[in-house]
Amino acid sequence: EVQLLESGGGLVQPGGSLRLSCAASGFTFSSYAMSWVRQAPGKGLEWVSAVSGSGGGTYYADSVKGRFTISRDNSKNTLYLQMNSLRAEDTAVYYCAKGLGGFTTPRGFDYWGQGTLVTVSS
Amino acid sequence: QTVVTQEPSFSVSPGGTVTLTCGLSSGSVSTSYYPSWYQQTPGQAPRTLIYSTNTRSSGVPDRFSGSILVNKAALTITGAQADDESDYYCVLYMGSGIVVFGGGTKLTVL
Repeated sequence: EVQLLESGGGLVQPGGSLRLSCAASGFTFSSYAMSWVRQAPGKGLEWVSAVSGSGGGTYYADSVKGRFTISRDNSKNTLYLQMNSLRAEDTAVYYCAKGLGGFTTPRGFDYWGQGTLVTVSS
Repeated sequence: QTVVTQEPSFSVSPGGTVTLTCGLSSGSVSTSYYPSWYQQTPGQAPRTLIYSTNTRSSGVPDRFSGSILVNKAALTITGAQADDESDYYCVLYMGSGIVVFGGGTKLTVL
């Protein structure tokens, strides 16, 4: 059974940093691209970032480029999102999502974690 | 920047059929965009319904189907049930590792 478990959310001041983790199990982690998707309170879903299965390719939405860094440790089956220079508009539930098989970049998602809440406020 | 468009809201009667669409502010959607569809109820994580235009995700009933209609991706729900009342999001692959969500459609079953 595929499981994705996010952690690392919390309250942080504007300009601060936070690192999210997503522990994966139930599939060959290194074979799949992984993404982070967020949802601000009362708003729709927004794709944030993706990383290829090998970790060699990383991709970002314009809204976070230069501030967020996605990475993965295939030996630990864990996905990360390092978030720097956080802003109030980054407040959201952050989900990790498993990419479809057969692609090095995300063409959609088949499994989702339950999410972790990040609140940016003074 | 290209925007992915969805109807903000839609309603369907129990037992009825509804088709939600996913378009582009500029251009037509084709299978090359790998359209996918997700269902989300308040407070829950999204659930994958359809990927790669028309492939149902594991455990999704065949009441849900995906297609390309004219120049948009489409999600059709037949025999609508009360628990289909949810928000529905489409995603399109824009190339170069970038995907974009539509704004979502709030479906009411009444």
